[in-house]
Amino acid sequence: AQSVAQPEDQVNVAEGNPLTVKCTYSVSGNPYLFWYVQYPNRGLQFLLKYITGDNLVKGSYGFEAEFNKSQTSFHLKKPSALVSDSALYFCAVNPGANNLFFGTGTRLTVIP
Amino acid sequence: EAGVAQSPRYKIIEKRQSVAFWCNPISGHATLYWYQQILGQGPKLLIQFQNNGVVDDSQLPKDRFSAERLKGVDSTLKIQPAKLEDSAVYLCASSPEGYGTEPQHFGDGTRLSIL
Repeated sequence: AQSVAQPEDQVNVAEGNPLTVKCTYSVSGNPYLFWYVQYPNRGLQFLLKYITGDNLVKGSYGFEAEFNKSQTSFHLKKPSALVSDSALYFCAVNPGANNLFFGTGTRLTVIP
Repeated sequence: EAGVAQSPRYKIIEKRQSVAFWCNPISGHATLYWYQQILGQGPKLLIQFQNNGVVDDSQLPKDRFSAERLKGVDSTLKIQPAKLEDSAVYLCASSPEGYGTEPQHFGDGTRLSIL
């Protein structure tokens, strides 16, 4: 069965410091991987995706993510956090069909 | 381009009542999705349409939930009768073709509270 794990419910980081939001997945085959961000009372916004190719993918707002097949991970990163990055982040996996399976989300708080 | 439109934004009803949500996807998007997001959880797919046909409704509680997309454009999701556990945010999303490689575009959702 497909599953996505975001092991941290909450991540706190100081403004200007690098941030990492972790994601691991359990899917058969070669999945498509996504990160979305959700601001209060808003829908999800697409940040970036990994389909194939280079393991480091770059996305919106300076975010990037590293795909690691051996560790089945797809961690979200940013070199320098902004207060405006504070939001709820969701990792999602598409096992190759049409469905997206989401993790439970990680709340990122960037402290000024 | 205009985003995915949903209405209403908020709805409060009593258990056993009925409720309907409306979604208008991005123009030209063939695929439309309805998700249920319970507080503290990630979105869970309820139903996926490709044009006006159902691709996947395996997670839709069909005894009380129904959805339609009659003309392959906008869609309505209905709950009848509502239960307390239906309290959630209902998100609509769309994508151009429904390929797994495409990102989905989400509306702002309808927050449903059941009293």
